[in-house]
Amino acid sequence: QVQLVQSGAEVKKPGASVKVSCKASGYTFTGYYMHWVRQAPGQGLEWMGWINPNSGGTNYAQKFQGRVTMTRDTSISTAYMELSRLRSDDTAVYYCARPQGYCSSTSCYHVWFDPWGQGTLVTVSS
Amino acid sequence: AIRMTQSPSSFSASTGDRVTITCRASQGISSYLAWYQQKPGKAPKLLIYAASTLQSGVPSRFSGSGSGTDFTLTISCLQSEDFATYYCQQYYSYPMYTFGQGTKLEIK
Repeated sequence: QVQLVQSGAEVKKPGASVKVSCKASGYTFTGYYMHWVRQAPGQGLEWMGWINPNSGGTNYAQKFQGRVTMTRDTSISTAYMELSRLRSDDTAVYYCARPQGYCSSTSCYHVWFDPWGQGTLVTVSS
Repeated sequence: AIRMTQSPSSFSASTGDRVTITCRASQGISSYLAWYQQKPGKAPKLLIYAASTLQSGVPSRFSGSGSGTDFTLTISCLQSEDFATYYCQQYYSYPMYTFGQGTKLEIK
């Protein structure tokens, strides 16, 4: 079955960087984009961006541009999300999610998300 | 970005009740709307997409309706496992996908 398994919880100091991994199984990794969504404690869901595992192309939400980098390693079917210059308000659970709907070779369009990874809690605290 | 507003933010109900959650978009999104269920400490789970299409494996007591700006999620006969938080998501405006703030459904 399709499964996304993320790396474990992280604690980071303000100004540091964090890199979260998402290992895919049960499908062809390069056949589907990977999106990242985060959820601050007790808050709603916030879309961060996507990566095309086939080409490495990315698209980031404007809010995160300049601080987020999404990469992949196709040899191990794993996507990564790195967030730099961490602040306390970056404390959140970060999810990877596979899109359903329509993505072309260059972009995703009208997509929803299923399945999701189990989430990775990133705590930013001095 | 398109703003999604859910109502109510929270409410209490009993098993067996019929409940309806509303999601309103700040502009028309056709039927590009999905609903998710999230339980504490778990990832969101897809329930419905295209406003009214039930995801495979989701019980038929869940249903969705609406188009344009106003949408509803209905649970026809609440079961104990349905107490959770529900989110809507618009995917009309890409790539800026946005979610509602959530509706927490609690046991009365």
